[in-house]
Amino acid sequence: DAGVIQSPRHEVTEMGQEVTLRCKPISGHNSLFWYRQTMMRGLELLIYFNNNVPIDDSGMPEDRFSAKMPNASFSTLKIQPSEPRDSAVYFCASSVTGGWTEAFFGQGTRLTVV
Amino acid sequence: AQTVTQSQPEMSVQEAETVTLSCTYDTSESNYYLFWYKQPPSRQMILVIRQEAYKQQNATENRFSVNFQKAAKSFSLKISDSQLGDTAMYFCAFMTSNAGKSTFGDGTTLTVKP
Repeated sequence: DAGVIQSPRHEVTEMGQEVTLRCKPISGHNSLFWYRQTMMRGLELLIYFNNNVPIDDSGMPEDRFSAKMPNASFSTLKIQPSEPRDSAVYFCASSVTGGWTEAFFGQGTRLTVV
Repeated sequence: AQTVTQSQPEMSVQEAETVTLSCTYDTSESNYYLFWYKQPPSRQMILVIRQEAYKQQNATENRFSVNFQKAAKSFSLKISDSQLGDTAMYFCAFMTSNAGKSTFGDGTTLTVKP
């Protein structure tokens, strides 16, 4: 398996623009997580899906952030409109719920909003 | 809710020496899993070692071992014969057995000096 695949690896956008981050989890994993990592806040869980259903979105900072998981092999995190304070590395991770397995992380997307 | 605390934001060690990173957690669950992840400058999150809470024996992976004290809710990581490639940020993480959701500590930045 290729692991968790995120795209793009890097994204630079202007303030006010819409940004969409993409994630393909590992096949067979039924839990998916979006994390944001910054120097100030460390690693924050934004949202957690189980079997494609959002279970916990309490970490989503505000309404400008939205996440979807239309099927077991794809998820998106959208920011609209983007702001400079959204600049961070965004990680997607997947795991097997109820199984003895850790979360496997993608390479992350470094987002810079100018 | 689960919490994970890493009380050492930064640590350093001389090459070939041993270092211990601390982690404490709080939970009311009886069955859970604990992990240590490593994040080198490449930013990839890499699993270092994992421990099942019902196992009394401490996990070991080559130069990495843990000291798991369930009653004290402590899960420290010992790195023996430190190598320059061990320089990274280390995250302690907790996962309940049925939820699949991981809670991460704030991380400890470890620098191995030549």
